[in-house]
Amino acid sequence: KNQVEQSPQSLIILEGKNCTLQCNYTVSPFSNLRWYKQDTGRGPVSLTIMTFSENTKSNGRYTATLDADTKQSSLHITASQLSDSASYICVVSEGSSNTGKLIFGQGTTLQVKP
Amino acid sequence: DAGVIQSPRHEVTEMGQEVTLRCKPISGHNSLFWYRQTMMRGLELLIYFNNNVPIDDSGMPEDRFSAKMPNASFSTLKIQPSEPRDSAVYFCASTQDRGIYGYTFGSGTRLTVV
Repeated sequence: KNQVEQSPQSLIILEGKNCTLQCNYTVSPFSNLRWYKQDTGRGPVSLTIMTFSENTKSNGRYTATLDADTKQSSLHITASQLSDSASYICVVSEGSSNTGKLIFGQGTTLQVKP
Repeated sequence: DAGVIQSPRHEVTEMGQEVTLRCKPISGHNSLFWYRQTMMRGLELLIYFNNNVPIDDSGMPEDRFSAKMPNASFSTLKIQPSEPRDSAVYFCASTQDRGIYGYTFGSGTRLTVV
């Protein structure tokens, strides 16, 4: 069964610190991997989209990496801010085209404290 | 652009009642998706439309759920009769070209069935 597993389930860090969220997947084949940020009471917002041939992609203080051989991705947040407190969801697109079904992870809940 | 607009934001209803959730996708987007999010199961795809035509409704839990997209700017998700286990946040998302450029999610409808 195609799955996306995220770790840790939750994380608390101090403002200004860096953190890394992990995503392991068994989806095969896959065409792209996305990271979304979901604020409480809001819908998910796209942070990065990487195809299977890309190793890294940045969006401001967010940097996503992808290792298609080990089927692992990470999202690194630099110099965290209070506004980074949210749920971060890893999503893998199933299949060989960009129009495949999305498989969602359960998310990592990040809390940034002052 | 106002983004994907969902209504209502919150809905509380009694078991057995009919519930209708509404979505207005981003103008020009030709794919629309309905998702359900719960703490236990995360985000699950219910159904998606491409050019107003339902393409995959395999995620619709049972016959009590139905979705329509009468035109490119409007979609509904109906639950009749509603049950307490239907309580969740329901998200609508839209995209161009079935996801290549990422999805835009609405703010969701929080449904509580008592």
